Amino acid sequence: DSGVTQTPKHLITATGQRVTLRCSPRSGDLSVYWYQQSLDQGLQFLIQYYNGEERAKGNILERFSAQQFPDLHSELNLSSLELGDSALYFCASSVATGGGQETQYFGPGTRLLVL
Amino acid sequence: DQQVKQNSPSLSVQEGRISILNCDYTNSMFDYFLWYKKYPAEGPTFLISISSIKDKNEDGRFTVFLNKSAKHLSLHIVPSQPGDSAVYFCAASLNNAGNMLTFGGGTRLMVKP
Repeated sequence: DSGVTQTPKHLITATGQRVTLRCSPRSGDLSVYWYQQSLDQGLQFLIQYYNGEERAKGNILERFSAQQFPDLHSELNLSSLELGDSALYFCASSVATGGGQETQYFGPGTRLLVL
Repeated sequence: DQQVKQNSPSLSVQEGRISILNCDYTNSMFDYFLWYKKYPAEGPTFLISISSIKDKNEDGRFTVFLNKSAKHLSLHIVPSQPGDSAVYFCAASLNNAGNMLTFGGGTRLMVKP
């Protein structure tokens, strides 16, 4: 158990809908990262938040957005869903001391299926 | 452009023997490298890491080697156990890029009893 929790574990929805994925980082971790794992793209970085502020962005679609709340939990919002958005979504967290070279610990993931 | 590559999609070894998983990268600015193990329907589990200023790091049965001139790292598992059967991902990060991880495509390791 990494200490990172994600809900829900599974999500089935229809095209055009909007969903919210939730992540709670390990106790004491300030940084939260979101990754997408699809069959053809492998694990891809989406976005990072540090202590409530966006810090880095990867290949995240404009239909996707995220935020980190004062209690440090994070939510990833996916809207106007398409079939191709079906994937595993992972959240990871790290201490973020600012010194770099930090290990990220991953949650169990949310499996999203868009029908 | 794949900056981190794992060229072997699968590897099969006998229990008790050594497993060697390889990873190549193209971005010479990467300064931290990690190996994760992943079982189906679970998140990646951190195994071992190495800083770019080192060439070897060891933790129990797991050793990671880094060859910066060749932009190559490898994970050695000795001895291999059936419970090691999983998909192994190498990942790399850049301090000045917020430490986001760039992952390889993974290698499926099968350890036969």
